[in-house]
Amino acid sequence: QQQVKQSPQSLIVQKGGISIINCAYENTAFDYFPWYQQFPGKGPALLIAIRPDVSEKKEGRFTISFNKSAKQFSLHIMDSQPGDSATYFCAASRTGSARQLTFGSGTQLTVLP
Amino acid sequence: DAGVIQSPRHEVTEMGQEVTLRCKPISGHNSLFWYRQTMMRGLELLIYFNNNVPIDDSGMPEDRFSAKMPNASFSTLKIQPSEPRDSAVYFCASTRRGQGIADTQYFGPGTRLTVL
Repeated sequence: QQQVKQSPQSLIVQKGGISIINCAYENTAFDYFPWYQQFPGKGPALLIAIRPDVSEKKEGRFTISFNKSAKQFSLHIMDSQPGDSATYFCAASRTGSARQLTFGSGTQLTVLP
Repeated sequence: DAGVIQSPRHEVTEMGQEVTLRCKPISGHNSLFWYRQTMMRGLELLIYFNNNVPIDDSGMPEDRFSAKMPNASFSTLKIQPSEPRDSAVYFCASTRRGQGIADTQYFGPGTRLTVL
């Protein structure tokens, strides 16, 4: 059973536009929600993460919005750049699980110049 | 820091052969994870170790897969015998538990395995 559902599968955005990727989770015990960025031929790397005690976290052009009641969270990339073209994975984990990450299926983002 | 080191980066083998993937975690990290990535199934956790002890191997697909961590700086994932459906990119990741929200998993560059 997939515990973290991610959409869309792929996304094409013009340079300067806003990229939005959405995730929904089922397990209410999850208390840590990171986003990973993966470039071709590389391993995933942590981009930004949030805990459910806040509804939003912003780091530069990247923002996580979190809706605990809806069990949804999203990544917003403002002023998207061609260098942001990568695959993005949302994930979730819970305290006491040794931070086992349950990953979404990934979104391939292409930012056109 | 060199980051998580994996070897080999690419492996091509024939069905039935034994394959051994290697991982050196970041120094000081006490948890290590093995993942498999495919187009069909995405990123799947295979097994993780804490302080060199396997904690959860429920993601290991079959008995053909085995993993060891003989010390804090080295882990192996072995597939014997290998099958074409094992073709995937295998990632190793490490973290240092106890850093709270900074329990970031650092991924290695992966090993691309092709089983013919």
